[in-house]
Amino acid sequence: DGGITQSPKYLFRKEGQNVTLSCEQNLNHDAMYWYRQDPGQGLRLIYYSQIVNDFQKGDIAEGYSVSREKKESFPLTVTSAQKNPTAFYLCASQPYRSDREYNSPLHFGNGTRLTVT
Amino acid sequence: KNEVEQSPQNLTAQEGEFITINCSYSVGISALHWLQQHPGGGIVSLFMLSSGKKKHGRLIATINIQEKHSSLHITASHPRDSAVYICAVSTGANSKLTFGKGITLSVRP
Repeated sequence: DGGITQSPKYLFRKEGQNVTLSCEQNLNHDAMYWYRQDPGQGLRLIYYSQIVNDFQKGDIAEGYSVSREKKESFPLTVTSAQKNPTAFYLCASQPYRSDREYNSPLHFGNGTRLTVT
Repeated sequence: KNEVEQSPQNLTAQEGEFITINCSYSVGISALHWLQQHPGGGIVSLFMLSSGKKKHGRLIATINIQEKHSSLHITASHPRDSAVYICAVSTGANSKLTFGKGITLSVRP
């Protein structure tokens, strides 16, 4: 079955350490996204990528980094520069049709809950 | 003010009731998405619509572009419908979404 796999489900780190969250999809989707979810807030976009070897900053990119070396993989690194890293992180993907018709349903992973102490 | 507002903020219903969740937005959009998030955290896309009405099983989504408003209806609600329902809009060709805060629905048996 096709889908998006995020791992691990729960992650604990000490303050000052970098941590990488995994996101893999076998849907052959071109676009991939990383969102952060905090209690009482809507999802916020961290980074997105529409094609391999290219990515753009979202609304809250500071303290995060990504790579897109393969179509199916879009790992997110939470660096020590991120001031409030404890959150629920969701990865999503979407097929690409054309510049004018990018609208199609998103597919989400099950998320990674990161706790930094 | 958030560009996407959802109401009510929390909702409790009895099994079998007809439920309506609302979403209002303040910008021009190219599409509106309804998403469902279960307690485990994973999110499922329910509908994507840019006009009119869509139906899938017991779920119906409508949108009024002129009024910048969408509703998600659940008929014959069931405890398994208990989840957070999130409205999101896309405003351009790059398809970045703006999300509402979500409505927590609890359906009691």
